[in-house]
Amino acid sequence: EVQLVESGGGLVQPGGSLRLSCAASGFTFSTFWMSWVRQAPGKGLEWVANINQDGSEKYYVDSLKGRFTISRDNAKNSLYLQMNSLRAEDTAVYYCARGGGNHDFWGQGTLVTVSS
Amino acid sequence: DIQMTQSPPSLSASVGDRVTITCRASQTINTYLNWYQQKAGKAPNLLISATSNLQSGVPSRFSGSGSGTDFTLTITSLQPEDFATYYCQQTYVTTRTFGGGTKVEIK
Repeated sequence: EVQLVESGGGLVQPGGSLRLSCAASGFTFSTFWMSWVRQAPGKGLEWVANINQDGSEKYYVDSLKGRFTISRDNAKNSLYLQMNSLRAEDTAVYYCARGGGNHDFWGQGTLVTVSS
Repeated sequence: DIQMTQSPPSLSASVGDRVTITCRASQTINTYLNWYQQKAGKAPNLLISATSNLQSGVPSRFSGSGSGTDFTLTITSLQPEDFATYYCQQTYVTTRTFGGGTKVEIK
């Protein structure tokens, strides 16, 4: 059974940093593109970033370039999102999703709240 | 980034109704268009990929069509479990974008 489990969310002050993790199981992680998608409270989905199988290609939504970094560790079957210089508008549920575009499996999400 | 515009933002319908949701891209995306369903408090679920390819397990009352910039998701006979929010997503360029969503509510 495919499982994606996010962790690392929580309350952080504006300007702070947070690193999200996504533990994958039930499939050969190293053969799939992976993505992060977020959803602000009561709002729609926003695609954040994706990464190819060996981590050599990474793409980001224009508005987040330079502040967020996606990475992966295939030996640990894990996906990461390093978030720096966080702002109130980054408050959202962050989902890990399998695939670079056709997201056929999703995690349950982890809530990031940016507030003083 | 390519902008995706869905209409309507919300709609009210009754069980058994035929429902159509529209998605328009700011530039041509060929048929690189997915549809997701999201129920309250849950992660999205991929319904249709590449405009019209129904995912395994998705009921046949769901269908998708279109090409270029204009796409539709049709539910032929709305069922109680279909009340949810639907999102389109383009996968034509590597920086993917979603539409704003269409909330389907019970009339």
